[in-house]
Amino acid sequence: SYELTQPPSVSVSPGQTARITCSGDALPKQYAYWYQQKPGQAPVLVIYKDSERPSGIPERFSGSSSGTTVTLTISGVQAEDEADYYCQSADSSGTYEVFGTGTKVTVL
Amino acid sequence: QVQLVESGGGLVKPGGSLRLSCAASGFTFSDYYMSWIRQAPGKGLEWVSYISSSGSTIYYADSVKGRFTISRDNAKNSLYLQMNSLRAEDTAVYYCARVRSGTPNWFDPWGQGTLVTVSS
Repeated sequence: SYELTQPPSVSVSPGQTARITCSGDALPKQYAYWYQQKPGQAPVLVIYKDSERPSGIPERFSGSSSGTTVTLTISGVQAEDEADYYCQSADSSGTYEVFGTGTKVTVL
Repeated sequence: QVQLVESGGGLVKPGGSLRLSCAASGFTFSDYYMSWIRQAPGKGLEWVSYISSSGSTIYYADSVKGRFTISRDNAKNSLYLQMNSLRAEDTAVYYCARVRSGTPNWFDPWGQGTLVTVSS
């Protein structure tokens, strides 16, 4: 089955930049999406179609794509950004949606 | 505003059944595909199933195929998940989510989730 691989954890100091990667063979053909999940809450979409930001999401969240890797960047990290982040895409057929393994962002 | 509210979770014995519901409001429910996504305790997200706006197209993850049935009632703005032959590994928070069409589809927004615990 298709897999999207993320680092288990990323630690960053307030005001610094956090970068979370997501790797998958089909990413050159399929868009990626990013969700933020805080403890005890439902996931919230923060990036769609690789780099688009939904309304209401702070500008410090951005996304990019290069080959088989997509990256979520949080610039000027704030304490409130501490959460789990999941990428989402699909296999090359596009039939079945797949979530990444998840990355816990810790703000030091 | 767009709102999704799940209900129906609870404790059930292995082999048992449960029916989850998701009440939608704040958007034209009949215009959108809908999906169920689950999250086992302390684990990541797993897509479970989705259903087209009319109900004519349905997909399931291999892990639930043949045991779970997704359905919808557009007149009641409601989404359902009938879960049969439940296993311990089905224990999870189940979220309903509105599907946004794309390459691939994505999910926005999500409900708050309902916990299903399968245990004897």
